[in-house]
Amino acid sequence: QSALTQPASVSGSPGQSITISCTGTSSDIGGYNYVSWFQQHPGKAPKLLISAVSNRPSGVSSRFSGSKSGNTASLTISGLQAEDEADYYCFSYTSANTLYVFGTGTRVTVL
Amino acid sequence: QVQLQESGPGLVKPSQTLSLTCTVSGGSIDSGSYYWTWIRQPAGKGLEWIGRMYTSGITNYNPSLKSRVTISRDTSNNRFSLKLSSVTATDTAVYYCARDNYGTLDYWGQGTLVTVSS
Repeated sequence: QSALTQPASVSGSPGQSITISCTGTSSDIGGYNYVSWFQQHPGKAPKLLISAVSNRPSGVSSRFSGSKSGNTASLTISGLQAEDEADYYCFSYTSANTLYVFGTGTRVTVL
Repeated sequence: QVQLQESGPGLVKPSQTLSLTCTVSGGSIDSGSYYWTWIRQPAGKGLEWIGRMYTSGITNYNPSLKSRVTISRDTSNNRFSLKLSSVTATDTAVYYCARDNYGTLDYWGQGTLVTVSS
């Protein structure tokens, strides 16, 4: 089971909106709604931003939103802020023998 | 508030067994519908799911590591452990423990760096 495909980097100016894609297959993203997104700052543990495709846990800013279409999930960050500069990973259940798979990761840069 | 904390040796020799423990507070590892999970991240690279243990003790492992991995638990001390045998330099990584709550990882430990070197 290969990792889910994310763009290596995405950048935007403060206040703008950006979208990070996460492409898988019908065995993972396309087949199930168990897609999560994590934010990871350097030297820190990942932090859950989105669960079950689009659910935002308590305490997570409403500027973060998730969606899915076919085999691709997306994370949108609106009103980009300097503190959003970090790595972002998607994560999905898969019917392949690995059970779970992470995305390749996306570095977000705030210009 | 659930909290997880990894502990264990930071240096392991090649061919030996890596052993880590995750101590959980704020929740019991043998109750509820949760899986207790290990993930790792080599420096500068992405995350890799290693395996998990259900509250009943049932385990699932990443097939790429299955022959070398064992996840076990100590319910009296509310902790679970990871053993990875026959380690090589490619097993050098930050190891995280986390709680799997219906397909998402909602609580994470801070991570612990394990270096494999002689």
